[in-house]
Amino acid sequence: AQSVAQPEDQVNVAEGNPLTVKCTYSVSGNPYLFWYVQYPNRGLQFLLKYITGDNLVKGSYGFEAEFNKSQTSFHLKKPSALVSDSALYFCAVRERYSSASKIIFGSGTRLSIRP
Amino acid sequence: DVKVTQSSRYLVKRTGEKVFLECVQDMDHENMFWYRQDPGLGLRLIYFSYDVKMKEKGDIPEGYSVSREKKERFSLILESASTNQTSMYLCASSLGAVNEKLFFGSGTQLSVL
Repeated sequence: AQSVAQPEDQVNVAEGNPLTVKCTYSVSGNPYLFWYVQYPNRGLQFLLKYITGDNLVKGSYGFEAEFNKSQTSFHLKKPSALVSDSALYFCAVRERYSSASKIIFGSGTRLSIRP
Repeated sequence: DVKVTQSSRYLVKRTGEKVFLECVQDMDHENMFWYRQDPGLGLRLIYFSYDVKMKEKGDIPEGYSVSREKKERFSLILESASTNQTSMYLCASSLGAVNEKLFFGSGTQLSVL
């Protein structure tokens, strides 16, 4: 069965410093991988996705994520954090084989950027 | 922009009531999903549908059923609400391809007393 793990409940970073939010996955075959963000009192928004090709994926708001097949990881990164990046971040995985495959989310990581 | 509309933002129901949560999307998406969001547990998939009248169980379907009679509408039904079904319910939709992103509604916070 497919699964997603976000090992950190909370990540605290000073503004201007680089940030990393970790995600590992387990799935049969090759996955599609996604990151979503949830700002306070708002719905989830798509950030970026990995389909195939370049292991470094660029997304919205200056975020990027690196796909590492050997480590089954898809960590979210940003070179310089902003206070406005403070939010709840979710990693998600989907198996490729059919439209009937599930999209499974991790437990979420709360990112807090201090001024 | 794609709009996914959930009929209620807040809902309070009594134990044993039958509860309907409605979700409508306006972009002709093939796929629709129902998740519940609980602190520390993230989003857990209840049911999803990849076509009209088609449905697939997610990871926690017990106590829930769904209906998709029209492409734009996906309803979640709590047959007999219980207190452990108090949660934030999120509806999402996507185009048919497996690699497409999800568009989420604003959520329905359901409290079962």
